[in-house]
Amino acid sequence: GENVEQHPSTLSVQEGDSAVIKCTYSDSASNYFPWYKQELGKGPQLIIDIRSNVGEKKDQRIAVTLNKTAKHFSLHITETQPEDSAVYFCAASPAGKSTFGDGTTLTVKP
Amino acid sequence: GAVVSQHPSWVICKSGTSVKIECRSLDFQATTMFWYRQFPKQSLMLMATSNEGSKATYEQGVEKDKFLINHASLTLSTLTVTSAHPEDSSFYICSARDYRGDYGYTFGSGTRLTVV
Repeated sequence: GENVEQHPSTLSVQEGDSAVIKCTYSDSASNYFPWYKQELGKGPQLIIDIRSNVGEKKDQRIAVTLNKTAKHFSLHITETQPEDSAVYFCAASPAGKSTFGDGTTLTVKP
Repeated sequence: GAVVSQHPSWVICKSGTSVKIECRSLDFQATTMFWYRQFPKQSLMLMATSNEGSKATYEQGVEKDKFLINHASLTLSTLTVTSAHPEDSSFYICSARDYRGDYGYTFGSGTRLTVV
């Protein structure tokens, strides 16, 4: 089955700096790569996703890049704000259920 | 956009009793829903895949007699934790896929179960 590794497990940045979270996956059949933000006591919320036929996608301060050859994808958050502080999960999906990374706790210091 | 409603958001029950958690897709039909369990500061662990009109598919190591899943309609899946014990205390989250869009999975807000 699919195996997803996510790094780093914790990340602390100063407000206004950029944050990068990286994930690798093992199953070449995976074709959908979503990123989720989870705040304490709440369910994960989809913040951005990318499919295997696209190399990069951007939505305002958030961007995701995908390298299919190397089987890795990354989340980039620019101009971070304190409200970006949360746990971020990547996931990889072949057709069907998703496998999640272990999560990254992002802290943005004002 | 796709909305998944999950209830209750939190529940406390006595050891030995059963608890039912509901997951509803509000504005789309979901032939497939997923149930996850999450321990503090850990990732989501897939428990089972709920299929409308058929039996759920459980992940290895998940007791299907303890975690009963029913997906009787295209908008509702339920998870019943039977004969709950303190070790069943956890955060349970459902998700559903809105096929109208493209591969997107929407999560419910989660249910915090505490068994005392």
